[in-house]
Amino acid sequence: AQSVTQPDIHITVSEGASLELRCNYSYGATPYLFWYVQSPGQGLQLLLKYFSGDTLVQGIKGFEAEFKRSQSSFNLRKPSVHWSDAAEYFCAVGAPNAGNMLTFGGGTRLMVKP
Amino acid sequence: KAGVTQTPRYLIKTRGQQVTLSCSPISGHRSVSWYQQTPGQGLQFLFEYFSETQRNKGNFPGRFSGRQFSNSRSEMNVSTLELGDSALYLCASSLDGNPDRHEQYFGPGTRLTVT
Repeated sequence: AQSVTQPDIHITVSEGASLELRCNYSYGATPYLFWYVQSPGQGLQLLLKYFSGDTLVQGIKGFEAEFKRSQSSFNLRKPSVHWSDAAEYFCAVGAPNAGNMLTFGGGTRLMVKP
Repeated sequence: KAGVTQTPRYLIKTRGQQVTLSCSPISGHRSVSWYQQTPGQGLQFLFEYFSETQRNKGNFPGRFSGRQFSNSRSEMNVSTLELGDSALYLCASSLDGNPDRHEQYFGPGTRLTVT
């Protein structure tokens, strides 16, 4: 069975600082990997996804993530955080031939200090 | 283009009752998925429907059921409600249920409170 771990429940960064959110997954083959963001009272919005190919993927809002097979990781990064990035971030894993059935990590709540 | 619509947005029910939640996907989308979000268990997959057929099912008891209509609208039903069913129920739709080709879009959710 697949699983996703987001080790950091809360992270606080200063506005303008860089950000890295960690995600580790467990899956037997090459998974489908996703990062979603959820603002209070909102549904989930897809930031970026990885299926195959180039291991560094670019997403919306200036986010990027790197797939590292050897470490079973898919960490999310942003070089300069804006106050509007404060939200909860979820890493998720899917599988080929499994449709939209995703397994989510527990989430990381990001707070941004002015 | 309108997004995924979920009704109602908020709901309060009593233990033992049943509830039906509705999801209208983005026009043209044929895949609808449901997720439960709670503080304790996080986001958990309930089921996915494609062209009126359940394609995938998560690990939930039989009290949780769903269906999809010919216009792709979907409903989920929870019978004999328990306090632990209090959650945000999220619906998502995609064009064809293939995440490597088409993105899945989430609705704002229905907040269910069981008292």
